Amino acid sequence: NFMLTQPHSVSESPGKTVTISCTRSSGSIANTYVQWYKQRPGSAPTTIIYEDNKRPSGVPDRLSGSVDSSSNSASLTISGLKTEDEADYYCQSYDNRFQGVFGGGTRLTVL
Amino acid sequence: QVQLVQSGAEVKKPGASAKVSCKASEDTSISQYMHWVRQAPGQGLEWMGLINPSGGATYYTQKFQGRVTLTRDTPTNTIYMELSSLRSEDTAVYFCVQGGPYSGNYYWGQGTLVSVSS
Repeated sequence: NFMLTQPHSVSESPGKTVTISCTRSSGSIANTYVQWYKQRPGSAPTTIIYEDNKRPSGVPDRLSGSVDSSSNSASLTISGLKTEDEADYYCQSYDNRFQGVFGGGTRLTVL
Repeated sequence: QVQLVQSGAEVKKPGASAKVSCKASEDTSISQYMHWVRQAPGQGLEWMGLINPSGGATYYTQKFQGRVTLTRDTPTNTIYMELSSLRSEDTAVYFCVQGGPYSGNYYWGQGTLVSVSS
């Protein structure tokens, strides 16, 4: 099976832009869709990006997802950072038998 | 709006089984795939398996094969996850998630804490 590798933590100032990467260890990142989830302490995760780059209703367009085959990675970009963006972020995809795989998670700190 | 309501926290002895339910709201069908994900204290998310409510086909990650069983009760719009031979390392919050895997959005239940302790 493959792994999804994320940076352990990132930090940035309010109003700035941050990008969180999610690199697939083997097989193409384009094989199956990538999802992104946001989780605040003590709460269930919520979906912020599905099918690589789609936002559920209610998710602001400051958040965007993309996939880059050349680096075999997906990215979550958050622009105009707000303190409410401070959370853990997880990427997720599937292997070719549709068994789910999560990245290790990235702690975003908005300084 | 999809709403998934899970059963309450459980405390179990090692070797016992835990069965967690996930009920979809009346205006939500469980016709989409349902996944189970767990999160140990202070750790990341771990995918356990999924069930196709249409027909009941299940897929489990190798780590949990033989110990986890996913079932569904269509008349009550409820999905169940049963984990057997519990050990302390199974202490975690267990989430049901509706959606995917081929396409579509994903909706999460509120989570159920299962504590395993002698």
